[in-house]
Amino acid sequence: AQSVTQLGSHVSVSEGALVLLRCNYSSSVPPYLFWYVQYPNQGLQLLLKYTSAATLVKGINGFEAEFKKSETSFHLTKPSAHMSDAAEYFCAVSEGWDSGNTPLVFGKGTRLSVIA
Amino acid sequence: DADVTQTPRNRITKTGKRIMLECSQTKGHDRMYWYRQDPGLGLRLIYYSFDVKDINKGEISDGYSVSRQAQAKFSLSLESAIPNQTALYFCATSDLPGLETQYFGPGTRLLVL
Repeated sequence: AQSVTQLGSHVSVSEGALVLLRCNYSSSVPPYLFWYVQYPNQGLQLLLKYTSAATLVKGINGFEAEFKKSETSFHLTKPSAHMSDAAEYFCAVSEGWDSGNTPLVFGKGTRLSVIA
Repeated sequence: DADVTQTPRNRITKTGKRIMLECSQTKGHDRMYWYRQDPGLGLRLIYYSFDVKDINKGEISDGYSVSRQAQAKFSLSLESAIPNQTALYFCATSDLPGLETQYFGPGTRLLVL
């Protein structure tokens, strides 16, 4: 069964600094990988997803993530943090077509704080 | 209008009461999900449905039941609420199987006293 580990439940960065949120996955087949963001008092929304095309995936709001099979990682980055990036971020994995009907599995989340 | 709506948005109830959380979607998706979110535990899947006739238990289904009344409606019931069911509950829908982009409702905050 697939699983996701997000390293660090809370990350704090200064405004303008690099954002790096870590995600490692476990999957028995080539996975599909996702990052979702949850702003305060809202539901989750998709930031970006990897579906076996380009390994570097660009998402909304300047975020991107790189799929590294050798490291089983899918870390999320943004070159320059903005105050509006403060939110909780969830990594998720799906085993896709090969697994039949298995739903997404979410990590425990990383809360990003941005300091002015 | 929002694509995925949840009612109520907030609910306070007492131990032992039966309550229902409702979810409606206008995205035309067959797949619908119920999750609960607890601080430090992320999202955990309660139940999911791939069509009106298909209901599946998730990771933490004990104490919960669901009803898929139509393609657009998926309800979650707590038959006899207990305090450790206090949480934020999300409904979600998804499109293509395997690619699994999920679309979330705004959540229902439930407090069980």
